[in-house]
This record gives sequence, C-alpha cells and structure tokens, in this order.
Amino acid sequence: EPEVTQTPSHQVTQMGQEVILRCVPISNHLYFYWYRQILGQKVEFLVSFYNNEISEKSEIFDDQFSVERPDGSNFTLKIRSTKLEDSAMYFCASQFAGGHTGELFFGEGSRLTVL
Amino acid sequence: AQKVTQAQTEISVVEKEDVTLDCVYETRDTTYYLFWYKQPPSGELVFLIRRNSFDEQNEISGRYSWNFQKSTSSFNFTITASQVVDSAVYFCALRGTSGSRLTFGEGTQLTVNP
Repeated sequence: EPEVTQTPSHQVTQMGQEVILRCVPISNHLYFYWYRQILGQKVEFLVSFYNNEISEKSEIFDDQFSVERPDGSNFTLKIRSTKLEDSAMYFCASQFAGGHTGELFFGEGSRLTVL
Repeated sequence: AQKVTQAQTEISVVEKEDVTLDCVYETRDTTYYLFWYKQPPSGELVFLIRRNSFDEQNEISGRYSWNFQKSTSSFNFTITASQVVDSAVYFCALRGTSGSRLTFGEGTQLTVNP
C-alpha cells in the first residue's frame, strides 16, 4: 500500500541551526501539508502546498519556516534558525484530490529535538 | 474560526468494556468534514473515518461506530468490546470549506487494561 515516508525519524540539533525535514508523498498526490505536534499536545496545521506554491499557512508558519518541492518526489520543510520551542513531532501529509473531501495520508513523523 | 473540543483528556477501561469518546465542534461553514485519527504509542497518525456534514447517518465498522449529531455539533466515537491494542490517543478533527487545514482536538488518551 502506498505511504508517505519521512526522514529523518528523529533529529537532534542545537538552537540556531538550520534543519531540513524531508517527505516523500504518495506518488500521484497533488496536495501536501506539514503539521506539527508538540509533545503531549494536539496536532497543529502549519502549511499546505499545491501546484508549487503555498496555498494556506498558519500563524505558526513564520519567516523561519519554508517549504519546497525541489523535484517530482520530495517535499521539504526547512527551519532556518531553530528555537527550543520548535521541538516537536512534524508530520507530513498528502492528498490526492483537491478541496475538502480528500483523505489526508500522514507520514510517521519526524521528531525534532532542539537543545 | 473552527474549534474542536475533546473534553475527555484520559479514559481508562478494562478490556471488553465499551467506551465512547466525545467530540464537539464549532464552525461557521455550512459544509464541513469530520475525522477521527488514532495515534498509537509509536506516534503515527492513523486515519479512522471521514464524515461530511450533510450525511448524518451513523456508521459502524467492526467494533467501531460513530454517532454524528448535527443538532448538538457532536461526532462521538464508540469502541465496542475494547481491546488492549485499542490503547492510543484518539483525535477528532474538522475541515471546513473556507480553507484546507484540519483543525484537531486536544485528543483523548484511551488506556485499555487487561
């Protein structure tokens, strides 16, 4: 069964360092998302991406964050200068159909620990 | 603005008991979609169900059932004859038509004891 894959599964970094989290969405999906979950808290929307541009972003997704689809398969989230409060699980998700009916398929998450 | 409330932070039951997880939502959209996800200890998010706002028919899938009541803005989830493997955090989520984001509730930690 097709799945969304994320790397790394866990990354530890020093405050102020740049981090890139990678995702390979399901191959025929067109809509891509990043969500994050601070330990013990709810899952929060960060950004959605379609047709090589951001379609929606939350207030969390400030200038420190960026997303990119550098080739036909990868979808990345970059945090330019990490802060302690960026420590969280980051989930990538993809969706085949547009609009609001499509089912989101989530990856297994990348845990980021900022020291 | 959209909001999802899962008032039960933690529930603990003994195996074979039935358990209901509550979800109440708020949205101004007339069309919207409701979801339940399971997050086992391994951390991934597992899709369980999607319902749209114009279909209030309840649904049963094996030991799982969902009760959608638009009049009370609730979308409750019942596990019948719970098993230890059901132990997980369960999230209710909402997506409206005014954007693409899923709004999640705070989650309910379900522990099923043998």
